[in-house]
Parts: sequence; C-alpha cells; structure tokens
Amino acid sequence: DAGVTQSPTHLIKTRGQQVTLRCSPKSGHDTVSWYQQALGQGPQFIFQYYEEEERQRGNFPDRFSGHQFPNYSSELNVNALLLGDSALYLCASSQREGPDTQYFGPGTRLTVL
Amino acid sequence: GENVEQHPSTLSVQEGDSAVIKCTYSDSASNYFPWYKQELGKRPQLIIDIRSNVGEKKDQRIAVTLNKTAKHFSLHITETQPEDSAVYFCAASMYDYKLSFGAGTTVTVRA
Repeated sequence: DAGVTQSPTHLIKTRGQQVTLRCSPKSGHDTVSWYQQALGQGPQFIFQYYEEEERQRGNFPDRFSGHQFPNYSSELNVNALLLGDSALYLCASSQREGPDTQYFGPGTRLTVL
Repeated sequence: GENVEQHPSTLSVQEGDSAVIKCTYSDSASNYFPWYKQELGKRPQLIIDIRSNVGEKKDQRIAVTLNKTAKHFSLHITETQPEDSAVYFCAASMYDYKLSFGAGTTVTVRA
C-alpha cells in the first residue's frame, strides 16, 4: 500500500518565477490538503481539495493555487515567487467519508533565490 | 480561526525519564487533536490522536490527555529512549481536515 508521495524532492527557483508541486494521495484517500512549513515552525494550512474543488483555504494570497485530478492527485502552483516562499511544502491525504486522520507526504523543499 | 499554542519549545530529558508537552487551543468547536513526530528532514508522522469525546488515550509509552473545559491537551512519553528525540507538533481541527498546528517542541533524550 503506497503512502503519500510528492515530487520533486527539492526545487530551486528565482524570484518572480512560477512553480508546480505534485502530490499523490495514499491509496483509498480522496482528500488532499497542502501545508507550508517554514524552517523551525509548524505547518501552516494552505488549502484543501475534494472532488476536484477547493473546499477550504487558509490565509495565503491568490498567488497560491491548486488543482485536483480525477485520480485524486493534486498540484500546488505558486506564481510570482518571493524569497519568503522558501519552505517545505507538505501535502496530506485523508478519507472524506471516514476517519479524518491525515497522512503526510515527504514534502518538497522549495528554495527561492 | 483556531490558534494553538505549544509549550515548551525545547525539552531535554534523561533517557528513561518522562517527557510532557502541553498545548492549548482557542476554538471550543475543535474536536480532533492529533500529535505528529517529525525527525530531521522527514515527514510529520502521526503518533497518537484523540477526539473530544475521550479524555485520555494510551498507546504503549505514549499517552494523550484532553481537558475540553480548559481547552488544553498534553502528550506524555514515558521511559524515553534516544529514538524519541525529534520535533513534536500538536494540532487541532473541527472535523474539517484543516489542521492548525502548534509551533513544535524539540525533544532531546540524553543517553
């Protein structure tokens, strides 16, 4: 049973560029949430996708957008990158109609220069 | 929105001693409280969780207690071992899959 996977592992971008991160949920899970974890801090909720729609959003600007595909995988897009966007981006999957336990992927380390 | 505070930020214990981490939350509607362990460079891993209809839950050396009236919950690790060294995060949510995390506690177990 595959757990949550994310790609790429690491990414280096420059200010103003755009980036796309990918997440495949745990088998049997249909809900994907994205979190940003700055160094030395707890994860911060970005948004959540279920049935290919954004269901909830945290306090992040519109530069952060996402998508969920019919196979439940998801993408996180960040436009006009800022230095402050450097962080570990985590996705977590869960089952909508079931326990709300969230399982995290290994994350994508984004560095903005 | 929900605000979760976690204390202490760092904790050093002798191997074999107990470790206790405390969290408070602000929204009385929160009803799910997981704890995650994150080793350096690794993903957060769920170690135990508790729901609002339960006051205490135990899994081997790990236990969590919840006081809904006071809006705080705690993680207890007994007989600590070197492999318990990690950053521990508490979180809270309202069955909406949006986890609000504390700032984390770095636990160091001294041999």
